[in-house]
Amino acid sequence: DVKVTQSSRYLVKRTGEKVFLECVQDMDHENMFWYRQDPGLGLRLIYFSYDVKMKEKGDIPEGYSVSREKKERFSLILESASTNQTSMYLCASSPGSVSGANVLTFGAGSRLTVL
Amino acid sequence: GENVEQHPSTLSVQEGDSAVIKCTYSDSASNYFPWYKQELGKRPQLIIDIRSNVGEKKDQRIAVTLNKTAKHFSLHITETQPEDSAVYFCAAEWGDYKLSFGAGTTVTVRA
Repeated sequence: DVKVTQSSRYLVKRTGEKVFLECVQDMDHENMFWYRQDPGLGLRLIYFSYDVKMKEKGDIPEGYSVSREKKERFSLILESASTNQTSMYLCASSPGSVSGANVLTFGAGSRLTVL
Repeated sequence: GENVEQHPSTLSVQEGDSAVIKCTYSDSASNYFPWYKQELGKRPQLIIDIRSNVGEKKDQRIAVTLNKTAKHFSLHITETQPEDSAVYFCAAEWGDYKLSFGAGTTVTVRA
């Protein structure tokens, strides 16, 4: 009964490669998020989308872009991966304009290693 | 975004004792403060939340208190059990629906 699915659990990429991280939710949520999790730094928001084709920068958007062509799918793109982007990436979604709007449902995470 | 500071970074308690985690935030406009628990190898999950029109909220062994004037909020876990061992994150809302998280507290419950 997984509701937020991240396509890759583990990825190993080389510096300079283009990386796509895919996330799909089946709860018809309006909001979707990409967070990065690093030890001692908690979860930091990279990008947020509140509707199809709409996006807002979070706290650490540099080096990342996103795409939301369909309501259920939110992709994180690293145009040219660098070693400092080695991290755990968590996708999340929330309902939006209804009760419980702020409650995040997280995916299992994608651990990216850039060599 | 919002600046959220969380203390302590690690906490070791004897089973049955209480645990307290404290967070401060910077944006006085924030009105929503959730707490997430992340067990080892699993995804974070909401355990309790509080809105600014409430000073305290309880759910069985966990409670959260909020002091809006001082801009701090705390998580209290009573009668700790081994299954309470996890990383706990506080968060504060900013803008519309966006959450800024603290750095996390690793709680270890000793048997």
